[in-house]
Amino acid sequence: NAGVTQTPKFQVLKTGQSMTLQCAQDMNHNSMYWYRQDPGMGLRLIYYSASEGTTDKGEVPDGYNVSRLKKQNFLLGLESAAPSQTSVYFCASSSSIAGGTGNEQFFGPGTRLTVL
Amino acid sequence: KNQVEQSPQSLIILEGKNCTLQCNYTVSPFSNLRWYKQDTGRGPVSLTIMTFSENTKSNGRYTATLDADTKQSSLHITASQLSDSASYICVVSPNQAGTALIFGKGTTLSVSS
Repeated sequence: NAGVTQTPKFQVLKTGQSMTLQCAQDMNHNSMYWYRQDPGMGLRLIYYSASEGTTDKGEVPDGYNVSRLKKQNFLLGLESAAPSQTSVYFCASSSSIAGGTGNEQFFGPGTRLTVL
Repeated sequence: KNQVEQSPQSLIILEGKNCTLQCNYTVSPFSNLRWYKQDTGRGPVSLTIMTFSENTKSNGRYTATLDADTKQSSLHITASQLSDSASYICVVSPNQAGTALIFGKGTTLSVSS
């Protein structure tokens, strides 16, 4: 099992460019999440998907869009990148959206994005 | 406001020594509390998960304690190893289905030889 994988690992964009971050999981999890991690701050939830075909906004959704067309994939899009979106992005998955103890979130290795 | 505060921000210890990391939270109602280890350049990995009714949970040399009355948790690392050098993140799950986890900023631990 690869667990949660993310591509690319590193990316440099110019302001205004667009790109899609890809996330895949092979654990047959129903729920998936996108977080960003900035220096001196805890992980913040951007968007989440409780199940295939559904998505909801998290704490910091502005400037991002997502799609969950397949159960195993969750895509994060930046339509017009801004320097404020320079961050490390983590994808995670869990068996369900509930916060119970059996619902551990498994994280991918991260994508390091720099917007110039 | 739901918050998770961790202390110290960073810590340096010698290999073989023990250490304790602290976590205070204001989340209510509260479902469970988790400790994650995040190595540099990697994603967080779960160490322990405790419900509000559990006082302690161990995972090898890692032991987490929880006092739900005072809303405090600690992570004790015994006989530290160089591989313990990482960021340790305290995460609280509110007792509401679908509510996002609340992450602390983490404590950066450096173990030196």
